[in-house]
Amino acid sequence: GIQVEQSPPDLILQEGANSTLRCNFSDSVNNLQWFHQNPWGQLINLFYIPSGTKQNGRLSATTVATERYSLLYISSSQTTDSGVYFCAVTYNNNDMRFGAGTRLTVKP
Amino acid sequence: NAGVMQNPRHLVRRRGQEARLRCSPMKGHSHVYWYRQLPEEGLKFMVYLQKENIIDESGMPKERFSAEFPKEGPSILRIQQVVRGDSAAYFCASSPIPLANTGELFFGEGSRLTVL
Repeated sequence: GIQVEQSPPDLILQEGANSTLRCNFSDSVNNLQWFHQNPWGQLINLFYIPSGTKQNGRLSATTVATERYSLLYISSSQTTDSGVYFCAVTYNNNDMRFGAGTRLTVKP
Repeated sequence: NAGVMQNPRHLVRRRGQEARLRCSPMKGHSHVYWYRQLPEEGLKFMVYLQKENIIDESGMPKERFSAEFPKEGPSILRIQQVVRGDSAAYFCASSPIPLANTGELFFGEGSRLTVL
């Protein structure tokens, strides 16, 4: 099955800083999502982005499917951005494969 | 808010008891998925169901675990004779079309099972 690797595993930022999270995957995908798991454990949809670029406020994402990676950009980070960011992918399959996540801590 | 609804949010069971977790998908979604998250890990697929049918249970342990999605009512994940290793967060998700057809997943808030 598809392998998903996320980097970095941990990231500590000061409030206001920018960051880039990366998701590499081992095979072709036609479905890719980014999620934020907040400190209360809730999974929040950030982007559905099997290809191309999308922006939503301070967050944006780019997927280059041909090179098998996706990037999540967080600008002007806030303490409420803390949590774990997951990338999940699949290809013509109902088994969505999750990476191990990037744990982000934003300090005031 | 017609999001994915899961209950209970927290469940404590003693070894050997049964756990039942319920999930109502988003309005208009007929595709339901169950995932398990162990502490400090990502989510692992367990089972995919449509109304009255199990489509893919390749991620489900062969024993003690079962899932259903009846014609009426929520989807239920059932764990019989629970053991400490079953302690985890169980997430339900739904989609308007199958993931295999590039559907988008929407998750509930999860049910956290603790086995004493």
